[in-house]
Amino acid sequence: GAVVSQHPSWVICKSGTSVKIECRSLDFQATTMFWYRQFPKQSLMLMATSNEGSKATYEQGVEKDKFLINHASLTLSTLTVTSAHPEDSSFYICSAREADYEQYFGPGTRLTVT
Amino acid sequence: GQNIDQPTEMTATEGAIVQINCTYQTSGFNGLFWYQQHAGEAPTFLSYNVLDGLEEKGRFSSFLSRSKGYSYLLLKELQMKDSASYLCAVVDSNYQLIWGAGTKLIIKP
Repeated sequence: GAVVSQHPSWVICKSGTSVKIECRSLDFQATTMFWYRQFPKQSLMLMATSNEGSKATYEQGVEKDKFLINHASLTLSTLTVTSAHPEDSSFYICSAREADYEQYFGPGTRLTVT
Repeated sequence: GQNIDQPTEMTATEGAIVQINCTYQTSGFNGLFWYQQHAGEAPTFLSYNVLDGLEEKGRFSSFLSRSKGYSYLLLKELQMKDSASYLCAVVDSNYQLIWGAGTKLIIKP
């Protein structure tokens, strides 16, 4: 099956710093990538949808200047959490979609902001 | 608005059968997914239904009734490793995934 990787798998950073998370589709070209956030014991919350070569579409309530998304190629999307604060601590998951409807999920990145 | 409903939590016994229901009201329908998510991990794909009826895949089966806006995931011969959250998600008319809140399944010996 299709494989999506994320890096790093976990990161601890200090409040006020920025963190970049990479999402790669390893064996297929992802026309669309999605970024989700999941707080403990809650469901996935879609943050944004990105199509290769165009600006990401953010969900209501998600600050586009804080969560910078770059989908530079068909196999790579990055999420940068700028000026991170403790409330940004969460599990960030990306998924990638090829031509069909199924989304293939990355393993997730656990971000802890101290 | 768009809405996906599934029970918050269910408990079942090892070796038994459990059915997790999902009802939806969405703007359009282009299929329904079931995903399994273990704590601290990303979701993994279980099934995709776009036509009415039952799809069987080993111990797991998924059923869809589009006219009723209803689906269920049936898990047979439950194993302890099946303890996880099960997420129902519908593809709407814009081909966006609308997620349910997930059902936490607890398996007891």
